[in-house]
Amino acid sequence: KQEVTQIPAALSVPEGENLVLNCSFTDSAIYNLQWFRQDPGKGLTSLLLIQSSQREQTSGRLNASLDKSSGRSTLYIAASQPGDSATYLCAVSRVNRDDKIIFGKGTRLHILP
Amino acid sequence: NAGVTQTPKFQVLKTGQSMTLQCAQDMNHEYMSWYRQDPGMGLRLIHYSVGAGITDQGEVPNGYNVSRSTTEDFPLRLLSAAPSQTSVYFCASSLLAGSTYNEQFFGPGTRLTVL
Repeated sequence: KQEVTQIPAALSVPEGENLVLNCSFTDSAIYNLQWFRQDPGKGLTSLLLIQSSQREQTSGRLNASLDKSSGRSTLYIAASQPGDSATYLCAVSRVNRDDKIIFGKGTRLHILP
Repeated sequence: NAGVTQTPKFQVLKTGQSMTLQCAQDMNHEYMSWYRQDPGMGLRLIHYSVGAGITDQGEVPNGYNVSRSTTEDFPLRLLSAAPSQTSVYFCASSLLAGSTYNEQFFGPGTRLTVL
């Protein structure tokens, strides 16, 4: 059974710092891994998708890496800003006939001005 | 493109009432799914569909029905609402099922309260 874990559940850092969010999964047979952002009371916004054959993806100040063999992904945020405050979720699309997407519970990030 | 749309945004029901949450996408996506999000529980898959006429159960299907008569629409029906179904419901879609590039797009959510 695929399980996705995100640690820590919450994180507070001063503005301007670089930070890393972690995501781990138990089954390496995945199609891809996707990182989302969710603002309070809002839906999920896709940030980055890493296909199983890729090692990393970048978008602006965000960089996501994928290590399938160790079952880990990281989301690196450079030069954090108060507007980055949100909950960040990762999800894996597993290689299986049922095509289910499995989510972690997220890391709630607070950037201190 | 409107993307993934959901209606209504808010709904209050009494125990035992039935209702349908609407979800539509205009991106010609094959894969559509419904999740519920509860504090401390994360996102849990209710039902999903890999194409018109094909649906399957997720983690928490009890009390919910779905159908997929068209590619665009994937309604979620609550048969007899219970307080345990108070939650935020999200619909999502992606281009292909079982693909390395099935980026998920989410709707804005429906906040449901069952009294």
